[in-house]
Amino acid sequence: DVKVTQSSRYLVKRTGEKVFLECVQDMDHENMFWYRQDPGLGLRLIYFSYDVKMKEKGDIPEGYSVSREKKERFSLILESASTNQTSMYLCASSVLAGRQNSYEQYFGPGTRLTVT
Amino acid sequence: QQPVQSPQAVILREGEDAVINCSSSKALYSVHWYRQKHGEAPVFLMILLKGGEQKGHEKISASFNEKKQQSSLYLTASQLSYSGTYFCGTDHQGAQKLVFGQGTRLTINP
Repeated sequence: DVKVTQSSRYLVKRTGEKVFLECVQDMDHENMFWYRQDPGLGLRLIYFSYDVKMKEKGDIPEGYSVSREKKERFSLILESASTNQTSMYLCASSVLAGRQNSYEQYFGPGTRLTVT
Repeated sequence: QQPVQSPQAVILREGEDAVINCSSSKALYSVHWYRQKHGEAPVFLMILLKGGEQKGHEKISASFNEKKQQSSLYLTASQLSYSGTYFCGTDHQGAQKLVFGQGTRLTINP
């Protein structure tokens, strides 16, 4: 059974703290993604990675960075957390297009981050 | 720019049909559909590729109009288990980066 896991379901941090959100997938997928989900806005892409040490900005990368040192692990970093980064963060992974016809994304359960 | 989904919310009785629309202002390479139940992760339903290839579930189908840059998701004879929020995700370059719509909340009542 395919699996994407995230380090925490709930996290509370203070303004200015450095925050690490971890995501691990066990499907040997090349692509990994970080989204944030806010009511009425859907899922918005923060960053994605198509290979180890490779990354591309998504639609809302400001205030975030990422790290992918191993194929199975993709970390989202909030260098200095702010209250407007309070949100649900979802990680996803998919195969590289061309390996299979379908490149559906598999999502983790999410981390609800509250910054106070 | 995010695709626009309509309606934003719909309430049906079990057995009724539903249509959810997704409209983009940019040319589409593919459209993905996902369903998210409350408190759970989004789950893949269907992908529609440029050129007409389609994959999906029983009783859930979709259309893809490349010229109009639109996709519609059809849920036939809805079941209670269909309740949730439906998202379309659009891929404009075949680069596998999806831009998701704001979601459509579907409620099925007995």
